[in-house]
Amino acid sequence: GAGVSQSPSNKVTEKGKDVELRCDPISGHTALYWYRQSLGQGLEFLIYFQGNSAPDKSGLPSDRFSAERTGGSVSTLTIQRTQQEDSAVYLCASSYQGTGVQETQYFGPGTRLLVL
Amino acid sequence: KQEVTQIPAALSVPEGENLVLNCSFTDSAIYNLQWFRQDPGKGLTSLLLIQSSQREQTSGRLNASLDKSSGRSTLYIAASQPGDSATYLCAVRPGMGAGNNRKLIWGLGTSLAVNP
Repeated sequence: GAGVSQSPSNKVTEKGKDVELRCDPISGHTALYWYRQSLGQGLEFLIYFQGNSAPDKSGLPSDRFSAERTGGSVSTLTIQRTQQEDSAVYLCASSYQGTGVQETQYFGPGTRLLVL
Repeated sequence: KQEVTQIPAALSVPEGENLVLNCSFTDSAIYNLQWFRQDPGKGLTSLLLIQSSQREQTSGRLNASLDKSSGRSTLYIAASQPGDSATYLCAVRPGMGAGNNRKLIWGLGTSLAVNP
């Protein structure tokens, strides 16, 4: 079956521009996660959506970052007024709502963002 | 604050060797620990998930152990192959209960090269 897909795969933008990154989770997965992986750094949690519950936004680094999930499926991560330090690989993952192995996260290939 | 450390940062071995990757975490109050594999240009693939109540999990040539009290996990790879070359990441889910917080705390990974 189809895995998690992300678009675009690569994005080059100029400092100050806004960007939108898209994630299509695996069908039936109610949990969706966004992470950021910067060069030489570990994965950094950004935001987590679970069904109809309020999202956990505790990892968003600034108010320039926002995310939404429409219809409990597709999610969009928006970065406003991009800065060079926003350059990173943005990874999306999805999982079932259950516990144990059901919460195994399945990752997309990521979007490589470069802010010039 | 939970911190995850992986040793070594990089490892190069000849094909056929058995090897051990190490992961340590500072706070023993974890719900589960997961090992992932990351291939260049691709997303992460979940390898093994160990619940806090478990001691080990096995999948094929992979065996992961968990010693929660000492804050350690090891990933054992038997009879390594060139196709095992990748970065291996360890991640812990903090907290004692199932809860709704599925934020993962990540190590920086071990970059493994298995030479033919």
